[in-house]
Amino acid sequence: GQNIDQPTEMTATEGAIVQINCTYQTSGFNGLFWYQQHAGEAPTFLSYNVLDGLEEKGRFSSFLSRSKGYSYLLLKELQMKDSASYLCAVKDSNYQLIWGAGTKLIIKP
Amino acid sequence: GAVVSQHPSWVICKSGTSVKIECRSLDFQATTMFWYRQFPKQSLMLMATSNEGSKATYEQGVEKDKFLINHASLTLSTLTVTSAHPEDSSFYICSARGITPSESSPLHFGNGTRLTVT
Repeated sequence: GQNIDQPTEMTATEGAIVQINCTYQTSGFNGLFWYQQHAGEAPTFLSYNVLDGLEEKGRFSSFLSRSKGYSYLLLKELQMKDSASYLCAVKDSNYQLIWGAGTKLIIKP
Repeated sequence: GAVVSQHPSWVICKSGTSVKIECRSLDFQATTMFWYRQFPKQSLMLMATSNEGSKATYEQGVEKDKFLINHASLTLSTLTVTSAHPEDSSFYICSARGITPSESSPLHFGNGTRLTVT
């Protein structure tokens, strides 16, 4: 079956750095997305990786290793507004999005 | 750009009634729209995929007669929850993909509809 694993919840301190991991086992791979979702709102797009390596976008970076079926989202200089759920999603061989359950990130002052 | 409007934002209805949710792509043509359901503290669950002018493709376990999807134009898709019951209470989210999506194209999401069935 297809599976995406993320930690359920993480806690970090304002101003610090946090890394949210995502491992996947899917039938094929056509890219990995990270989305941010605040409570009661729809997800918003953060990043896309299809090749191995690091993609940096401001305070957020996303890394991919296809051979390991592994990705992480790195958030730097954490702000209180970064408190949200972070969803990892993989496009499989049929170009269908397979969603992880999301990681709830709690930022403490 | 790439704005998706979903309406209503929230709705409360009585058990046995039907509720229609609209999803519009405001500044692009959406050949494909996706309907998701999300229960509290759970991930997005794809309900169905609709392509303009054709019948929707439903995911396993989703009753097509209960969740009616219409995608009559390139900018509008509707989801009608028929004969709603309390267990249908959930957060429903639509998303859209443009007419010439690239592999890296993210989905554009509507703001979601919170449905409460009493």
